[in-house]
Order: sequence, then structure tokens, then C-alpha cells
Amino acid sequence: DAKTTQPPSMDCAEGRAANLPCNHSTISGNEYVYWYRQIHSQGPQYIIHGLKNNETNEMASLIITEDRKSSTLILPHATLRDTAVYYCIVRENSGGSNYKLTFGKGTLLTVNP
Amino acid sequence: SAVISQKPSRDICQRGTSLTIQCQVDSQVTMMFWYRQQPGQSLTLIATANQGSEATYESGFVIDKFPISRPNLTFSTLTVSNMSPEDSSIYLCSVEGSGTNYNEQFFGPGTRLTVL
Repeated sequence: DAKTTQPPSMDCAEGRAANLPCNHSTISGNEYVYWYRQIHSQGPQYIIHGLKNNETNEMASLIITEDRKSSTLILPHATLRDTAVYYCIVRENSGGSNYKLTFGKGTLLTVNP
Repeated sequence: SAVISQKPSRDICQRGTSLTIQCQVDSQVTMMFWYRQQPGQSLTLIATANQGSEATYESGFVIDKFPISRPNLTFSTLTVSNMSPEDSSIYLCSVEGSGTNYNEQFFGPGTRLTVL
């Protein structure tokens, strides 16, 4: 079972920031928070991951609370092409069976013109 | 990053037949994964395939139904055997990245299977 909880859907206006929340209250100390997205009819795409510090890359920013029980993915300037299902996943990085990604239902983000 | 291709991209099959899906990666990778995505659902891991060893199947998936081959470090196949309409899904392969992409998984475009 997925160890994360996400809202089923969100809307965002084009050009505005999209803030996608995720709850992972049972996360363990050696588990990372990963975000993937799946655009319609495509395979999932990696976005970002982090352990406890906030992370930023060319796609998004990841804000993790100090207690690590929740996080927020931020798309700073959403475009129509960002419309997708966004998955928040917790996973260890120690190899072996821990490579497995357990997908929940995700959040369908719809970016509106 | 790894570039992954899958064949076929889609197929329509008759009940009781089998279909083999191919996954090709543009670089050598240790671990390959096969997922299933049923209509309107999220992804579920079927099995992990390492080159030179038997695939490891997740609960609810068995080798007789989903035999997997992994003949080398860039290729794998998944067969969906004795198909029924309940097998209608998108089947995706993925690989773990390497180097600076070590903690990322890269996914193929998927094979959309419809069983009549």
C-alpha cells in the first residue's frame, strides 16, 4: 500500500504557482520523498526527490516540513503542459527491493488557460 | 538519463492468446521493472528483472502468467499469457538510473493492451 495521501484533484491557472501537498506521516528516517508525474498516455516522469532539506531543480521545488510528515511540490509557473497526475512516493535509497516505487492514486493537476 | 522503447505500442488480442512485450534501453542497466496500469488506476509493480537471475514477482503476480526474460543488460520481455479481458491494461517497463541519475527511475512509453 502507498504510504502517502494526496488530494485527488487540483486546479491551477496558467502562469500561477501550483502547490501540490502530500502527507506521509509514517515516513521513516531513511526514506526519501519522491515526486513523479504522468502526462496522459505517457509513462511517469521523475520530477524531484529529497530527504529533509528543501530541494529545487529546473522543474520544481520540494518543501519538506521539519518533522518530515508532509511535503509540498511547487511548480512555480504552471503551463498547460503541466496538466498531469502527480504522484508523491516515499522510498528508501539503499538498493535491493527498496528500489520499488509504490504508486498511490496521485493528484490530477489541471492547469487552466 | 535512459531512453526506453517498448514494442508493440498497442495491441488488441483475443482471449486465451499470449502477447510478448519488448523493452529496449539505450544503456546497460542492472535492474529493470515491469508495471501494470489498469484503466483509470495507478501503476502496480509486477516484477523486478535482473540480468542473469530469475525475476522477482510481487504479491498477486506469478511467473506462469507473466513470464519475464532478461537476456542482457539492455533488453527484457514480459509475456502476458492466456489472456482474459481483465488483462486489458497499459504495461510499462522502467529502469533505475545511474551516475547522477542514480535515484531516478525512467519509464518507457507503455504498451496498451486490449483483450477481447
